[in-house]
Amino acid sequence: NAGVTQTPKFQVLKTGQSMTLQCAQDMNHEYMSWYRQDPGMGLRLIHYSVGAGITDQGEVPNGYNVSRSTTEDFPLRLLSAAPSQTSVYFCASRPGLAGGSTDTQYFGPGTRLTVL
Amino acid sequence: DAKTTQPPSMDCAEGRAANLPCNHSTISGNEYVYWYRQIHSQGPQYIIHGLKNNETNEMASLIITEDRKSSTLILPHATLRDTAVYYCIVRLETDSWGKLQFGAGTQVVVTP
Repeated sequence: NAGVTQTPKFQVLKTGQSMTLQCAQDMNHEYMSWYRQDPGMGLRLIHYSVGAGITDQGEVPNGYNVSRSTTEDFPLRLLSAAPSQTSVYFCASRPGLAGGSTDTQYFGPGTRLTVL
Repeated sequence: DAKTTQPPSMDCAEGRAANLPCNHSTISGNEYVYWYRQIHSQGPQYIIHGLKNNETNEMASLIITEDRKSSTLILPHATLRDTAVYYCIVRLETDSWGKLQFGAGTQVVVTP
C-alpha cells in the first residue's frame, strides 16, 4: 500500500489564485481529514469527512472547500489564496469506528504552500 | 476534548530513556490519552494510546497516573532518529470525526 499520498509537495501561489491540493489513500479508510501547520505550532483541523459524500468543518475552515466523491480521494480547494494561508498542509485518514489499536490516524507527507 | 500541557523542549542522551510528561487535569472518564510524534518535515506518526492502565508497544511505554490527571511517555532507549516533536492529546476513542487537536508539543532532541 502507498498509504496516504499528497500532491503537490511544494506550491507557490499569488494572492487571489485558486488551487486544489490532492489527497488519496489506498487503505479503504472511511475517515479523512485536512490539517494545517504553521511554524512553531501544532496542527489545526480544517475539514474532515466520515465517508463518501459527507464532510464537515473543523477548527479553521474559512477560505477552504472540500468534497468527498469517492472513499479514496479528499481534495482541498483554496478558493482565493491569501498570504495567511501560507502553511504546511497535511492530509490524514483512519479506519471507521473500529476502536482498539486500529484507532490511529495515518498522515501524508504534507504540501508546503507559499502565498505571495 | 480536554487540554494538555507539555514542556516545550527537552534533551536526552542517546541510549538513555526519555521520559516525556503531560498534564491533562481536566480529562473526563471516557477520554483516552494519545501520543503522536512528528519528525522534521514529515507527517505526524502515531505512537501509543491508553485509558487507565499502563500500555507498552514496540515504540514506547505509556504510564498514566491513578487519578488520570497526568501521564508520561517513555522511550526506553532513545536513538538519534527519535529526535522529533512529541504531542500528547486526549480525546474520545470513539470520536467519529477522526479529529486530533494538536497543541504545541515537546521538542525532543537526542544527542550522541
